[in-house]
Amino acid sequence: AQSVSQHNHHVILSEAASLELGCNYSYGGTVNLFWYVQYPGQHLQLLLKYFSGDPLVKGIKGFEAEFIKSKFSFNLRKPSVQWSDTAEYFCAVTNTGGFKTIFGAGTRLFVKA
Amino acid sequence: DSGVTQTPKHLITATGQRVTLRCSPRSGDLSVYWYQQSLDQGLQFLIQYYNGEERAKGNILERFSAQQFPDLHSELNLSSLELGDSALYFCASSVGSGGNTGELFFGEGSRLTVL
Repeated sequence: AQSVSQHNHHVILSEAASLELGCNYSYGGTVNLFWYVQYPGQHLQLLLKYFSGDPLVKGIKGFEAEFIKSKFSFNLRKPSVQWSDTAEYFCAVTNTGGFKTIFGAGTRLFVKA
Repeated sequence: DSGVTQTPKHLITATGQRVTLRCSPRSGDLSVYWYQQSLDQGLQFLIQYYNGEERAKGNILERFSAQQFPDLHSELNLSSLELGDSALYFCASSVGSGGNTGELFFGEGSRLTVL
């Protein structure tokens, strides 16, 4: 069955700490991978995406993610978090036809100032 | 602003009632997706329409139905409402198939409270 697993449901960090959020997926065929962010009280918005090429992709606000095909993983990283990064982060997978995007359960990140 | 418009933003109703949520996709987007977000279930895919036709189905209850109209807006109908249907319902849109990268653009959601 198609699924996306996010290993950490809640993460608390101090400002300037490094961040890594895990994401593993089970999805047949060629996939497109995404990280979305939902700031408090707002809608989901795209943080970064991978669909081909360099497996290390860079997104907005200093975030990056690495696609490791052999591990079916797409982990999100940021070297130094800020208080404004407090949000919920969702990993998502879809097939290359763009149908039925599956989301992980989300990781709530709280950054202490 | 994502370009996806959802109405109403908030809705309070009673058990057993029926409500309709509306979504207007971004200009040019042919696909519309509906998701339910609740505290205990996370973000659950309900259904997708592409250019008026149902394309993919997720965990959508039989009490729920959706359609996409010729002008590409979509409606999600929720009937015989139960307390557990209280959630945030998101609509998202994307270009569709044929070179689509699958990126979704989300509306701000409709928060449904069933009392």
